Amino acid sequence: AQRVTQPEKLLSVFKGAPVELKCNYSYSGSPELFWYVQYSRQRLQLLLRHISRESIKGFTADLNKGETSFHLKKPFAQEEDSAMYYCALSGLSGGYNKLIFGAGTRLAVHP
Amino acid sequence: SQTIHQWPATLVQPVGSPLSLECTVEGTSNPNLYWYRQAAGRGLQLLFYSVGIGQISSEVPQNLSASRPQDRQFILSSKKLLLSDSGFYLCAWSVKSGANVLTFGAGSRLTVL
Repeated sequence: AQRVTQPEKLLSVFKGAPVELKCNYSYSGSPELFWYVQYSRQRLQLLLRHISRESIKGFTADLNKGETSFHLKKPFAQEEDSAMYYCALSGLSGGYNKLIFGAGTRLAVHP
Repeated sequence: SQTIHQWPATLVQPVGSPLSLECTVEGTSNPNLYWYRQAAGRGLQLLFYSVGIGQISSEVPQNLSASRPQDRQFILSSKKLLLSDSGFYLCAWSVKSGANVLTFGAGSRLTVL
């Protein structure tokens, strides 16, 4: 079965500190992984996807198939990074691609 | 450009009353449509998705149903609400070829009393 696990409900750091939001997945096929973000009073939106291999707002995420992980990292956190972050997995189920989300991690960056 | 609208934004309903949440998409045709429920500590739970008019797939057994009467309209309904139906409901759409990249609506907060 497809499953996404985000072990931390809350991650609290100071401005300038490194950030790593953990995400582990379970999927028997070849997964496609995403990070979505929801800033305060804004809509949930796509942050990045593993196939793009790009850095968005200083965030990067590398798919590690051996560890079945897709952790989100940023070397120096900013206050504006404070938001709810969701890891998501896309895989075939019932003949269709479905996007399954983790429980989310709230990142709080303090000045 | 494409936009997605959800309404009402907030709804307070008594137990046993019916429910209708609406979602419409503009600026695209034949989208995939989704209903998710967002609950604190439980993340986003996929409730229904639709790949076309009249085609609805349910992910979890529940007190809710969904319908797609038009290409860009997706409706979430219930005949009799339960307390446990309270939550934040999100509608989303994607193009067929990029079914993994979802665009979300602003959400509808339902409180059942």
